[in-house]
Amino acid sequence: EVQMLESGGDFVQPGGSLRLSCAASGFTFSVYPMSWVRQAPGKGLEWVSAISSGSGESTYYADSLEGRFTISRDNSKNTLYLQMNSLRAEDTAVYYCARHRDHDLYDYWGQGTLVSVSS
Amino acid sequence: ENVLTQSPGTLSLFPGERATLSCRASRTVYNNYLAWYQQKPGQAPRFLMYAASSRATGIPDRFSGSGSGTDFTLTISRLEPEDFAVYYCQHYGHSLGTFGQGTKVEIK
Repeated sequence: EVQMLESGGDFVQPGGSLRLSCAASGFTFSVYPMSWVRQAPGKGLEWVSAISSGSGESTYYADSLEGRFTISRDNSKNTLYLQMNSLRAEDTAVYYCARHRDHDLYDYWGQGTLVSVSS
Repeated sequence: ENVLTQSPGTLSLFPGERATLSCRASRTVYNNYLAWYQQKPGQAPRFLMYAASSRATGIPDRFSGSGSGTDFTLTISRLEPEDFAVYYCQHYGHSLGTFGQGTKVEIK
């Protein structure tokens, strides 16, 4: 059974940093591209970042992030990461990891982890 | 960027009724790369449909999708209690991250 479990969400002050993790199981993690998608309270889905399969050589980011986030993966640990720096109030959201079925079509999602940025 | 506009914003229906949700794209969705997701309160999105009309694994056949070009529709033939949720469309394979704003299907 495919499972993905996010962790690392927390309450943080503006300007702070967090690292989110997504532990995957039930599938061959290394062969799938992965993404982070977020959802602000009461809002819709917003794609954040994606990483290619294998070594994760290719990474992609939403323009709105302005270079503050870094996606990475450790295939030996079946884990996806999102390093978030210089956090802002508008980054407050539930962050989901999602597996790419193909292109950016997401067939499995984690349960999400909440990031709350406030002073 | 392809902007997806979903309508209506909220659909109020009784169980057993037919639900028709619209997703209109500002630009042509080539190859019918249009997906639908279902999200219930407090839960992650669930993959429903892809290629406009293909159901994902395990999705019941009361869900159907149609459309091409810029106009797409998700139809739920007879609403079950578990179908009341928010539905998002997505244009994939184009530029990362193109989701519609969602349609909420609520119990009338």
